[in-house]
Amino acid sequence: QVQLQQSGPGLVKPSQTLSVTCAISGDSVSSNSAAWNWIRQSPSRGLEWLGRTYYRSKWYNDYAVSVKSRITIKPDTSKNQFSLQLNSVTPEDTAVYYCARGWGMDVWGQGTTVTVSS
Amino acid sequence: DIQMTQSPSSLSASVGDRVTITCRSSQGVSNSLAWYQQKPGKAPKLLLYSASRLESGVPSRFSGSGSGTDYTLTINSLQAEDFATYYCQQYYATPPWTFGQGTKVDIK
Repeated sequence: QVQLQQSGPGLVKPSQTLSVTCAISGDSVSSNSAAWNWIRQSPSRGLEWLGRTYYRSKWYNDYAVSVKSRITIKPDTSKNQFSLQLNSVTPEDTAVYYCARGWGMDVWGQGTTVTVSS
Repeated sequence: DIQMTQSPSSLSASVGDRVTITCRSSQGVSNSLAWYQQKPGKAPKLLLYSASRLESGVPSRFSGSGSGTDYTLTINSLQAEDFATYYCQQYYATPPWTFGQGTKVDIK
């Protein structure tokens, strides 16, 4: 079955870059029928979709307006994974970050708790 | 962005009860609507997609209905393992995808 395994640091200093990776097993990041999302969850914001990457003969990305100037989602076909980078973080970016597949998202990573603090 | 509003925010129920949660979107989402269950410390779990299609492996006591802007999740004969928080999410047309604020179902 499809599984997503997340990795990344749990503590990031303000103004630095948050990076989380999602390794895919049982599917391909280059699938022509999948989309690969990042979502975060915090008590103040609830569940917030951040963006996605997907392949349809070429790579596409969509990002939430709230983070568009700071976010990059990149596929890595050699490792069958995709990553989230969020620049210039503040304490407001403290959240649990999830990767997930699809539109109605049927497979989720285990979550990565990221705290932004000095 | 399409806003999703769930009601109620929380409810108390007993094992065996029938529970109904509603989700209203700020504009029509053409049945591009998913429901999730989340337990503490865990990722959300997909229950239904396309408003009424049951995800594989999900018990048939879960059902969904609705159209346009109004959707409903029903849990028939609530079981002990169903106490959790439930979210709706729209994925209509183009992003951003948005979630409701959640409905916490706890034990009466």
